Amino acid sequence: GAVVSQHPSWVICKSGTSVKIECRSLDFQATTMFWYRQFPKQSLMLMATSNEGSKATYEQGVEKDKFLINHASLTLSTLTVTSAHPEDSSFYICSAYPISSYNSPLHFGNGTRLTVT
Amino acid sequence: SQQGEEDPQALSIQEGENATMNCSYKTSINNLQWYRQNSGRGLVHLILIRSNEREKHSGRLRVTLDTSKKSSSLLITASRAADTASYFCATEETSGSRLTFGEGTQLTVNP
Repeated sequence: GAVVSQHPSWVICKSGTSVKIECRSLDFQATTMFWYRQFPKQSLMLMATSNEGSKATYEQGVEKDKFLINHASLTLSTLTVTSAHPEDSSFYICSAYPISSYNSPLHFGNGTRLTVT
Repeated sequence: SQQGEEDPQALSIQEGENATMNCSYKTSINNLQWYRQNSGRGLVHLILIRSNEREKHSGRLRVTLDTSKKSSSLLITASRAADTASYFCATEETSGSRLTFGEGTQLTVNP
């Protein structure tokens, strides 16, 4: 159980275009989902916390107008990279806790490799 | 910001040997978790240890937690080539449910 599906697994886009990444919890509900970014050979950096039915909370230094997050239901959060540039090329990973979990592990999607040309 | 520091950054051992990775953190935590990541993939949860626990086992994995020193260790016994991956510690702070990840250890197990 506790499967998180992330789509697409990889995407190549041209500079200036926008890319949407979906994160779905398949067999549980999540009021909160987290979006991480990971550069090669580096750790995961938390970008934002996605809250169902309300605005996302962004980490310091993350542009909310560039990385649009929507969490419209208890099983779906989306991250849209707007006007992507080559420096946005990275591995983006979402994760979620089941509702009412405490002291429980995060469940991760398999990540999306974004390449901006 | 990342609060976890892991050492070593890279570890290369022979199959059958034990691998030990260490993690230090800075704030008060609810729990500390260890994850594994194969190259280009998502993270797989390995083990969670609560702040009031000192040691936990799961198969070939042994995790210790010393809250007075704000440190944890992950021991993989009788390593296998398939254990080759990056290992990350992550702390859930008492201030909220977000996880903060350490820098990771790249483990290579040579057959």
